[in-house]
Amino acid sequence: NAGVTQTPKFRILKIGQSMTLQCTQDMNHNYMYWYRQDPGMGLKLIYYSVGAGITDKGEVPNGYNVSRSTTEDFPLRLELAAPSQTSVYFCASRGPGGRSSYEQYFGPGTRLTVT
Amino acid sequence: GNSVTQMEGPVTLSEEAFLTINCTYTATGYPSLFWYVQYPGEGLQLLLKATKADDKGSNKGFEATYRKETTSFHLEKGSVQVSDSAVYFCALRLALSHTGNQFYFGTGTSLTVIP
Repeated sequence: NAGVTQTPKFRILKIGQSMTLQCTQDMNHNYMYWYRQDPGMGLKLIYYSVGAGITDKGEVPNGYNVSRSTTEDFPLRLELAAPSQTSVYFCASRGPGGRSSYEQYFGPGTRLTVT
Repeated sequence: GNSVTQMEGPVTLSEEAFLTINCTYTATGYPSLFWYVQYPGEGLQLLLKATKADDKGSNKGFEATYRKETTSFHLEKGSVQVSDSAVYFCALRLALSHTGNQFYFGTGTSLTVIP
């Protein structure tokens, strides 16, 4: 089991460029999440999905888009990158709750710099 | 609103010292509480959890007790090791009637253990 994988690990974008952060999980989890981690600010939820075809906004969705065409993949799209989007991005997934106790499994993160 | 507050870091300790990282929460309802650990260059991993008042979560020598009366979930370890150097996040899960399960993370506390 690879768990949650994210690509790329690092990326530098120029202002106005676009990119897609990839996230894949092999645990057959329905729930998937995108967070950003700014220094000293903890994790903020960008978007989440409760299953294939269903996505919803989190706390800080502006400037981002997501899709969930399969259970495994949950890509995050940045359109017109801005310096305020410089951050570390984490993808996470979890099982249905109950005995799994809602534990989230995190990918290793993507460090994005927008200059 | 719902939130998690952690003691600010960074925290630097000598090996074999006693560790406490304070965490308090504000929540409507009955949250589950978690501590996650993030080692350098990696994503967050679940360290321990507690799902109801007076529960004690424990793992790898770390402990935390869910105290409803003080709304706290302080992380403790009796004797830290260099390998415990990481960032520690307190988090809670709430089941909300309109939006389902929501997760809130603290800002993280960086711990460095020196030999």
